[in-house]
Parts: sequence; C-alpha cells; structure tokens
Amino acid sequence: GENVEQHPSTLSVQEGDSAVIKCTYSDSASNYFPWYKQELGKRPQLIIDIRSNVGEKKDQRIAVTLNKTAKHFSLHITETQPEDSAVYFCAASSLTSGTYKYIFGTGTRLKVLA
Amino acid sequence: DAGVIQSPRHEVTEMGQEVTLRCKPISGHNSLFWYRQTMMRGLELLIYFNNNVPIDDSGMPEDRFSAKMPNASFSTLKIQPSEPRDSAVYFCASTLWAGNEQFFGPGTRLTVL
Repeated sequence: GENVEQHPSTLSVQEGDSAVIKCTYSDSASNYFPWYKQELGKRPQLIIDIRSNVGEKKDQRIAVTLNKTAKHFSLHITETQPEDSAVYFCAASSLTSGTYKYIFGTGTRLKVLA
Repeated sequence: DAGVIQSPRHEVTEMGQEVTLRCKPISGHNSLFWYRQTMMRGLELLIYFNNNVPIDDSGMPEDRFSAKMPNASFSTLKIQPSEPRDSAVYFCASTLWAGNEQFFGPGTRLTVL
C-alpha cells in the first residue's frame, strides 16, 4: 500500500545551523504535503504545507521543496533555535476513487544544541 | 473557537474494560480523523469521517475498535474489550475538507493495565 518514508529519525544540530528532513512518498496521486511539529507532550501542529502545483514554499526560517518526479519533499529550517527542538512529521495526501488518503511519515526528532 | 476538544485527557483502565473516547471537532469542519500514536508505530490513522459518514476505516486495528459520528459536532472511539497493547495517545483531528490542514485535539492518553 501507499507509504511515506521519512529520514532521518533523529537529527542533532548546533544552534544557528540548518536542518533538513526528507520524505519520500509512493502514491503518485498525492497532491498535498503538510509538515507538522509536535513538541513534547503536545499535539501536532501544522508549520508549513505545499501543494503539487508548487515546487517550493518559504515562511521565514522554514521552507519546503517538492520534487514530483522523484516523489520526495523536504523541510528546511535555517538558523535553528532551541525552540525548534521537537518531532517533525511529514504527510502526503491524495484523493483516490473518492477517498482521501492522509499518510504520515514516522517522524524526525530534532534536537538543537545551544 | 476553542479548537478540537477531546475527553477525557487521561484514562487509566483495566484490561477487559470498555473505553470510550470523545471528540468535538471545530465548528464548520467537514472531516474528522482519529489517530493513535505510540513510540513504536508512530502516528497511525484509524478512521476518518466526511460529513459524519465513515469513509476509510482500514486503519482500525480489529473488531474491538469502533467509531461513530452521530452528528457534525461529536464523535466517539470505543474500545471493547481493552487490552494493554491499546495503551497509546489517541488524537482526534478535524479539517474543512479531507485534503487540507488538520487541526489536532490535545489527545487522550490511554493506559490499559
């Protein structure tokens, strides 16, 4: 079945450095790719998303890129800060035969070292 | 709007007992999702509703799990009988339509002894 692979599972960076998390999806019908941030003990919250008709989207220190041909998308965080430490989930959504599939990756635990 | 509301926030029960988790989606949202989160399996979609109708329940683990959405403002996830392996955080999320941003509730932490 469809799946979303996310790498790496853990990532440690020094404060001020950049962090990149990558996801690969299998369903070529996927057309919506959100990224969620989940702080410890909290709920996942959307931080940025991209649709299949766009190749890149940026919001301050956060950017997402999408390569439809290769079926992968990435989250880029620049100038990382301690408060960026959290688990990040990617997801891919598609509409097939009238049914939406919304599949999450397995998550990346990001640690920003002060 | 208060956001997605879930109750209870914590539930501790003994194996074999019935557990009912409740969710109130954001007013006006047409789709509702139930997820289970564990360290081992990550975030798993259990079932989702569109306009109160169950659309995809392929993620429901087994017959012990059932979900209902009697109206646009309320949904339940029931486990009967509960087992220790059901221990997890259960999230409810709602969205305007299924292919869009999901707004998660605070979750219910379930512990089955």
